[in-house]
Amino acid sequence: NAGVTQTPKFRVLKTGQSMTLLCAQDMNHEYMYWYRQDPGMGLRLIHYSVGEGTTAKGEVPDGYNVSRLKKQNFLLGLESAAPSQTSVYFCASSYGDSVQPQHFGDGTRLSIL
Amino acid sequence: GQNIDQPTEMTATEGAIVQINCTYQTSGFNGLFWYQQHAGEAPTFLSYNVLDGLEEKGRFSSFLSRSKGYSYLLLKELQMKDSASYLCAVMDSNYQLIWGAGTKLIIKP
Repeated sequence: NAGVTQTPKFRVLKTGQSMTLLCAQDMNHEYMYWYRQDPGMGLRLIHYSVGEGTTAKGEVPDGYNVSRLKKQNFLLGLESAAPSQTSVYFCASSYGDSVQPQHFGDGTRLSIL
Repeated sequence: GQNIDQPTEMTATEGAIVQINCTYQTSGFNGLFWYQQHAGEAPTFLSYNVLDGLEEKGRFSSFLSRSKGYSYLLLKELQMKDSASYLCAVMDSNYQLIWGAGTKLIIKP
C-alpha cells in the first residue's frame, strides 16, 4: 500500500521556469492538500480540494495553481518560479470528513536559483 | 490573527519522560492534532483531541484544555527513535489546520 506518493522528490529550477508537482494517493480519499514547509515556520496550506474537479485557495496560494482531474491525483503548478518558492512541498490526503487525520507524502524539495 | 506556540527545541534523556506544550489562539476550534516528523520525512499522525482531558496511546498521551487554549504531548520511556519534531495543529472554524512551527526533541543516551 503506497499511501501518498509525490514526484519528483528533488528539483532545482531557475527563476522564471515552470513545473508541475504530482501527488497520487491510493486510499480513495476525498480531500487532498498541498502545503509548503519552511524553516522556523509551521506548514502553510497552498491549495486544497474536497473532491474530484474542485479546488480552493489556502493561506498562501499566490504563484501556484492546482488541478484535480482525477480523484487520486492532485497537481501543483508553479507558473513562473521565484526564489521565494524554494521550500519543501508536502501533499496530504484525508477521508471526506473534515476532522479526519491527514496522511502525508514524503515531500518534494524544490530549490529555485 | 491565529497563532500556535510551542517550544522550538527540547532535550531529554533516554528512558525519561518529556512533556511538549502547545498553546493556541484560533478562530474557532474543531480539534487539535499532534504529528511526529523525523528529519527529512513526512509528518505522521499521533493523536487527536476535541474534548478536554487526557487521551492515552501506549507511550504517548495528549491532553487538552479548551478553556485555556492549551495542549501537551507526553512521551514516556523515551527511546532514541523518538528524536524528531513534534507538530501541534489546530482545526479552526473553517476546518483548516493551523500548524505550529514544531518542537525539535533531542534524546540523549
